[in-house]
Amino acid sequence: AQSVTQLGSHVSVSEGALVLLRCNYSSSVPPYLFWYVQYPNQGLQLLLKYTTGATLVKGINGFEAEFKKSETSFHLTKPSAHMSDAAEYFCAVKGSGQGNLIFGKGTKLSVKP
Amino acid sequence: NAGVTQTPKFRILKIGQSMTLQCTQDMNHNYMYWYRQDPGMGLKLIYYSVGAGITDKGEVPNGYNVSRSTTEDFPLRLELAAPSQTSVYFCASSYSKGEGWETQYFGPGTRLLVL
Repeated sequence: AQSVTQLGSHVSVSEGALVLLRCNYSSSVPPYLFWYVQYPNQGLQLLLKYTTGATLVKGINGFEAEFKKSETSFHLTKPSAHMSDAAEYFCAVKGSGQGNLIFGKGTKLSVKP
Repeated sequence: NAGVTQTPKFRILKIGQSMTLQCTQDMNHNYMYWYRQDPGMGLKLIYYSVGAGITDKGEVPNGYNVSRSTTEDFPLRLELAAPSQTSVYFCASSYSKGEGWETQYFGPGTRLLVL
């Protein structure tokens, strides 16, 4: 069965600092992996996804993630945090059912001025 | 193009009452989903539909029912509300061939409080 673990329920960085949000997955088949972002009082929005091919995936708003099969990881990074990046971030893996996603518990990112 | 819309935004229910959460999408997506989000727990899939007339259970279906009579609408029914159903409910849709890599588009959510 597929599962996702996000390390750290809350991460705080200073504006301009590196953002690193960690995600490890478990999957019995080659995984499809996703990062979604949720701004306060809104629905989720796709940041980026990995399906096949290039292991470094670039997304919106300057975020990127690298698929590392040997480490079963899909960490999300951004070189320089902006105040507008403050949100909750969810890592997800395709589940065994048709099209369903298995979500991690989320990491809330705070950005200090 | 409104995307995925949900009504109501917020509702308070008494234990034992019923209600229907509405979800509509205008993107002609074939797949639609209902998730619930509890604090610190991520999103859990309640039900999903791969097309009009076809629905299936997700991870946490107990206490809920769904129907899909049109491509656009996917209502979620709570028959006998319980405090454990206090949550934020998200509807999502995608155009999918069942491969699972397609982007899901989410509505803004319905916050439900059962007292």
